[in-house]
Amino acid sequence: DAKTTQPPSMDCAEGRAANLPCNHSTISGNEYVYWYRQIHSQGPQYIIHGLKNNETNEMASLIITEDRKSSTLILPHATLRDTAVYYCIVGAYGQNFVFGPGTRLSVLP
Amino acid sequence: GAVVSQHPSWVICKSGTSVKIECRSLDFQATTMFWYRQFPKQSLMLMATSNEGSKATYEQGVEKDKFLINHASLTLSTLTVTSAHPEDSSFYICSARDPRGAKNTEAFFGQGTRLTVV
Repeated sequence: DAKTTQPPSMDCAEGRAANLPCNHSTISGNEYVYWYRQIHSQGPQYIIHGLKNNETNEMASLIITEDRKSSTLILPHATLRDTAVYYCIVGAYGQNFVFGPGTRLSVLP
Repeated sequence: GAVVSQHPSWVICKSGTSVKIECRSLDFQATTMFWYRQFPKQSLMLMATSNEGSKATYEQGVEKDKFLINHASLTLSTLTVTSAHPEDSSFYICSARDPRGAKNTEAFFGQGTRLTVV
């Protein structure tokens, strides 16, 4: 079973920030938080990952709470092409990734 | 970033025939690759872990004689669906991690193979 809990769906207006939450209250000390997204009929695309510090790259920002029990993925300026299913995954090195149902983000014009 | 490529992207086959799907790591050597299956409107489910030079490890409920996995080289793993039936129609996806990176490195996924058995 997946170790994460995400809302099944969210809407976001185009151009606004999309904030996708994820709960991972049973995360272990050696486990990282990874975010992927999947656009229809494609393989998952890597977005970002982190251990305990907040991370930012060209695609998104990842905010991890101090107790590491939850995190938020932020897409700063959502576009229509960001419509996808977003998966939050926790895992340690060498482990396979266990996917939950994810959050279906719809970016609306 | 590292690239994982699958072939074919889609395939249609007759019931009872076998289909082979290839997964290649294009710019790194992968001692381990993972095979997932995804049914419509569902999430990815791990089928098996492919280990170079040794037997694959299958998840519970996945028939190893039906889903043959071969990882003969460090850049290629194949999944063969034998005696395919319509219920095997699904989206098959492979992934691998670049071992040259840090131990927290992300996994890279292929573009997936859409199998339709008629």
